[in-house]
Amino acid sequence: DAGVIQSPRHEVTEMGQEVTLRCKPISGHNSLFWYRQTMMRGLELLIYFNNNVPIDDSGMPEDRFSAKMPNASFSTLKIQPSEPRDSAVYFCASMLTGGRTEAFFGQGTRLTVV
Amino acid sequence: GENVEQHPSTLSVQEGDSAVIKCTYSDSASNYFPWYKQELGKGPQLIIDIRSNVGEKKDQRIAVTLNKTAKHFSLHITETQPEDSAVYFCAAGGGADGLTFGKGTHLIIQP
Repeated sequence: DAGVIQSPRHEVTEMGQEVTLRCKPISGHNSLFWYRQTMMRGLELLIYFNNNVPIDDSGMPEDRFSAKMPNASFSTLKIQPSEPRDSAVYFCASMLTGGRTEAFFGQGTRLTVV
Repeated sequence: GENVEQHPSTLSVQEGDSAVIKCTYSDSASNYFPWYKQELGKGPQLIIDIRSNVGEKKDQRIAVTLNKTAKHFSLHITETQPEDSAVYFCAAGGGADGLTFGKGTHLIIQP
């Protein structure tokens, strides 16, 4: 398996624009997590899905953020409209719950909002 | 929810010496405590983990200890090498509830 795949790796956008980050989890994993990493706040859990259903989105900072998981092999994190303070590295992670509880991370998307 | 505190934020050691990173957690229901290593430009990768029914686990030069009563766990790296330089994260959680991460420790190995 190629691991968790995120796209794009880098995104530079202007303030006010819509940004969509994509994630393909490891095949067979049933939980997917979106994290945001900044120098100030470290790794923050934004939302996680179990069997494609959002379980806890309390980490989503504002209504400008939304996430979907239409099927077991794809998830998106959307920011609309984007703001400079959204600049961060966004990681997707997946794992198989009920077995070994290791979370596998993607390479991340570095988002810069100017 | 869970709250994880990690110290120190930066640790510099001489090559060959040992490094220790400490974390505390708040939720007594947490039963899984992994440690991740993050190299520049990459996502975090699991290096060792421990479950609440075990007090210590070792894998070559790295070891993790867990004190459930005190709610703290530590990462120990012996005989440090230049390739150990990275940011290390502890985390706490369990089941399908996700992991809460510490803020990370930047480990610098000085030659």
